[in-house]
Amino acid sequence: RKEVEQDPGPFNVPEGATVAFNCTYSNSASQSFFWYRQDCRKEPKLLMSVYSSGNEDGRFTAQLNRASQYISLLIRDSKLSDSATYLCAILTGGGNKLTFGTGTQLKVEL
Amino acid sequence: DGGITQSPKYLFRKEGQNVTLSCEQNLNHDAMYWYRQDPGQGLRLIYYSQIVNDFQKGDIAEGYSVSREKKESFPLTVTSAQKNPTAFYLCASRMVAVSSYEQYFGPGTRLTVT
Repeated sequence: RKEVEQDPGPFNVPEGATVAFNCTYSNSASQSFFWYRQDCRKEPKLLMSVYSSGNEDGRFTAQLNRASQYISLLIRDSKLSDSATYLCAILTGGGNKLTFGTGTQLKVEL
Repeated sequence: DGGITQSPKYLFRKEGQNVTLSCEQNLNHDAMYWYRQDPGQGLRLIYYSQIVNDFQKGDIAEGYSVSREKKESFPLTVTSAQKNPTAFYLCASRMVAVSSYEQYFGPGTRLTVT
């Protein structure tokens, strides 16, 4: 099993929809989790950090389910500008390393 | 403006040549990282450094070398021993002194080796 797994998508959703992605991880000792957004041919940009059960920032909510070992990202009221690839990352290596998933592609359409 | 700079944005080299990618940050971050990203794959860690004059191998260090002579700089050399060097290379940094682990990325260098 991969250390971090994501559904590659693409998720095609209409503008205004609510969409959720999951990211599963195999290391039950992981304590910190991150969501990054990556636009085509650009660098990843930090979207949210999850250190406890969850985090919310405007239209974006991240939740952690330790029992089932996954984190989720919920986007409400999707905008065209939300179209991107969303990468999840977990803290490993005693806090020294991030291990990334391969990303989930979101396409928001008119 | 504080940030991470990588140069050049695009780099083309012939097979068999070593090439050095630049990464500079003025965020006063302690730790710096190098990743590579290939199509359809996640970011994979090449090397990282938490303090000056010290660095550790990541998951795919073979064929790469780094140095950390200054806090602000962490150049990566892609040697001729790297079998598949064509990739998108990303440098990242983070503050170690505080209890947060967020890494911030530079704009990346796209290396093409033919």
